[in-house]
Amino acid sequence: EADIYQTPRYLVIGTGKKITLECSQTMGHDKMYWYQQDPGMELHLIHYSYGVNSTEKGDLSSESTVSRIRTEHFPLTLESARPSHTSQYLCASSEPFGGAGYTFGSGTRLTVV
Amino acid sequence: AQKVTQAQTEISVVEKEDVTLDCVYETRDTTYYLFWYKQPPSGELVFLIRRNSFDEQNEISGRYSWNFQKSTSSFNFTITASQVVDSAVYFCALTRRSILTGGGNKLTFGTGTQLKVEL
Repeated sequence: EADIYQTPRYLVIGTGKKITLECSQTMGHDKMYWYQQDPGMELHLIHYSYGVNSTEKGDLSSESTVSRIRTEHFPLTLESARPSHTSQYLCASSEPFGGAGYTFGSGTRLTVV
Repeated sequence: AQKVTQAQTEISVVEKEDVTLDCVYETRDTTYYLFWYKQPPSGELVFLIRRNSFDEQNEISGRYSWNFQKSTSSFNFTITASQVVDSAVYFCALTRRSILTGGGNKLTFGTGTQLKVEL
């Protein structure tokens, strides 16, 4: 049973729309992450958070924004979707020292038409 | 800076063959963790194994085995008697072990190896 949940699983949306990808975890992890995975399979970190009210940009520049108002919730928002945002977005969380690895959500496959 | 290299982009094997996926990493940290993840066509990332930098003992788990060699900075993964259900993309990943909040624990992934197991 998954301890980290992402919704929606699939989303097709028109250009210019505002979207929010949801991510919630029940493990009480302080650290959470968003990865973007392009069709060529490579995973890129776009945002991370080390706790409530903490958010940082990742290694890959992204037009999306994130918020962390509650420990369990780490939503990602695109104010104006474009076809270049078409990708899979994976949310993850981890224990403090990283040794247990990440737990990933099932991902959201976003298509902007 | 950390880097993970998976030189094999795609591997195709016939069912029941053994297959080894290569992973080479670079890090300046003395303590770190290495991982293998599996991503089936459904898209989720499934955790397979973790190794810390102090533990070079190799492991066998069912049809899976791992060969960690610190001297060559390699962390290879072998599937014995491959099955069609093993078809997936496999990612090797690296993170430093750090209690610091700044910059610690970000996973660095390799580019993945697509494994296709055919009948």
